[in-house]
Amino acid sequence: DSGVTQTPKHLITATGQRVTLRCSPRSGDLSVYWYQQSLDQGLQFLIQYYNGEERAKGNILERFSAQQFPDLHSELNLSSLELGDSALYFCASSVGGGGNTEAFFGQGTRLTVV
Amino acid sequence: GNSVTQMEGPVTLSEEAFLTINCTYTATGYPSLFWYVQYPGEGLQLLLKATKADDKGSNKGFEATYRKETTSFHLEKGSVQVSDSAVYFCALSERRALTFGSGTRLQVQP
Repeated sequence: DSGVTQTPKHLITATGQRVTLRCSPRSGDLSVYWYQQSLDQGLQFLIQYYNGEERAKGNILERFSAQQFPDLHSELNLSSLELGDSALYFCASSVGGGGNTEAFFGQGTRLTVV
Repeated sequence: GNSVTQMEGPVTLSEEAFLTINCTYTATGYPSLFWYVQYPGEGLQLLLKATKADDKGSNKGFEATYRKETTSFHLEKGSVQVSDSAVYFCALSERRALTFGSGTRLQVQP
């Protein structure tokens, strides 16, 4: 058990809809990262938050947004969903925000868009 | 930008065989290097790491040495077990989030 909790584990929704994925980091970790894992794109970094503020952006679409709350949990919002958004979405957390430290991953949320 | 290249899989080995999974990287500075493992239906787990040149990371019989001159971080294990069957990801981090390779699936047969 990594200590990172993601909910829900599975999500099935229709095209055009909006969903929210939730992540609780390990106790004491200030950074939260979101990654998308798909068969064709591999593991893609989406966005990082550190202590409530956006720290780095990766390949995140404009239809996607995220935030980190004062209690350090994070939510990833995906809107106007398309079939190609079907993927496994991972949250990871780490103590620091500057990289060069290991990140601990949750078990992921499998999103299926139909 | 930063990138990580791993050998294509799947790699199929018999139990007790020697394992090597190649990983090379491109980075502008001095990244930390990692190997993560993903078992079926699970998230990624850190297997080992190295933070500077010539460091050797090791865990559960797996080893990898940070080679700056060849920009490589190859994963090795002397004797694989069926339970090692998983997908292995090489990754680097340089002052920001991890950049992952495409992953290498390892299948170990009894």
